[in-house]
Amino acid sequence: DAGVTQSPTHLIKTRGQHVTLRCSPISGHKSVSWYQQVLGQGPQFIFQYYEKEERGRGNFPDRFSARQFPNYSSELNVNALLLGDSALYLCASSLVESTDTQYFGPGTRLTVL
Amino acid sequence: AQKITQTQPGMFVQEKEAVTLDCTYDTSDQSYGLFWYKQPSSGEMIFLIYQGSYDEQNATEGRYSLNFQKARKSANLVISASQLGDSAMYFCAMRAGENNSGTYKYIFGTGTRLKVLA
Repeated sequence: DAGVTQSPTHLIKTRGQHVTLRCSPISGHKSVSWYQQVLGQGPQFIFQYYEKEERGRGNFPDRFSARQFPNYSSELNVNALLLGDSALYLCASSLVESTDTQYFGPGTRLTVL
Repeated sequence: AQKITQTQPGMFVQEKEAVTLDCTYDTSDQSYGLFWYKQPSSGEMIFLIYQGSYDEQNATEGRYSLNFQKARKSANLVISASQLGDSAMYFCAMRAGENNSGTYKYIFGTGTRLKVLA
């Protein structure tokens, strides 16, 4: 079975632009979470979605938004990009929302110039 | 406040020896989960082991075991018979409820970089 997939793998944007990152969970998994990992730090939780509803939110500004589609794939959107948004964005999926282990994708490396 | 603390920024271990990576946590939730992940230089987070707060026995997965001491709020990872391929960043993480609202939050520590020496 395929693992969690993310696209694109790398992305370069300039300040003020908008970006959309995509994630496909493991087949059968209904929950998707998004994390931001700045170089040298641990991942920071952004959102969790389960059955297309937001089930958890970290301390990120409203410039960050996400949604989950009927096929359980997900998009993370970031508006008005700042230099500080440069990071590895990780997507993780789990079977259900609350008790299952999360399995991570390879990430999208975003560079904001 | 919910928090994960990893006090060892870097560790060295000789090949074939055991190593313990420390993790302490803080939460007021009664129900929570503790995880360890490995992150090689490639960047992908690899799940290693899980311990639920109500699990009475320490979790084990192959060469990985989690030394869970609930009263001390610690969840140390023990890697036995270290291999060169174990060299990576290791993160301790916690899943905790958001004030019993039915939503969840995942908190990661700052990580420990392990280097296995030949």
